[in-house]
Amino acid sequence: AQSVTQLGSHVSVSEGALVLLRCNYSSSVPPYLFWYVQYPNQGLQLLLKYTTGATLVKGINGFEAEFKKSETSFHLTKPSAHMSDAAEYFCALNSGGYQKVTFGTGTKLQVIP
Amino acid sequence: DTAVSQTPKYLVTQMGNDKSIKCEQNLGHDTMYWYKQDSKKFLKIMFSYNNKELIINETVPNRFSPKSPDKAHLNLHINSLELGDSAVYFCASSLNRLETEAFFGQGTRLTVV
Repeated sequence: AQSVTQLGSHVSVSEGALVLLRCNYSSSVPPYLFWYVQYPNQGLQLLLKYTTGATLVKGINGFEAEFKKSETSFHLTKPSAHMSDAAEYFCALNSGGYQKVTFGTGTKLQVIP
Repeated sequence: DTAVSQTPKYLVTQMGNDKSIKCEQNLGHDTMYWYKQDSKKFLKIMFSYNNKELIINETVPNRFSPKSPDKAHLNLHINSLELGDSAVYFCASSLNRLETEAFFGQGTRLTVV
């Protein structure tokens, strides 16, 4: 069975500070990993994804994530937070093919002016 | 020119009623999905259709019945609505059943009273 754990349901950072959102996964086969962002009253938008190849993945809006197999992690980072980054972030995993995606429980990012 | 559109955006109804949520995608994708997001923001796949054929049917009550008249549309009909059905329902699509990236609609907030 596959699973995704996001540590911290709420994260607060100051504007301009580093953003770090944690995601750990469990999968019996090589996983595909994703980060999605959900703004209030909106659907989910893909930030970035890891399938194969380079383990450091760059996404939209200055976000990036690193796949670390030894740590079973796929943490999301951004060097400098903007107010517009305030949203809910979901880590997701697909290791079963056919888009049978498992989502984490989400991390709400608050950016303090 | 919305890629994945759902209607209605909000739906308030009484227990026992039957309701439908419609979804259309104009991306030319073969595969469409329904996800349910509960009050704790937990996202879980319900159904997936590939070219009008059901390929994923998670443990969902029989009261929920998806219908795909063509590959651009995937509607969700719910019979005998219960309080526990209150949630946000997201439609999504992907290029094909193996494609890893899904595009989400803006969601339908269903409230059963």
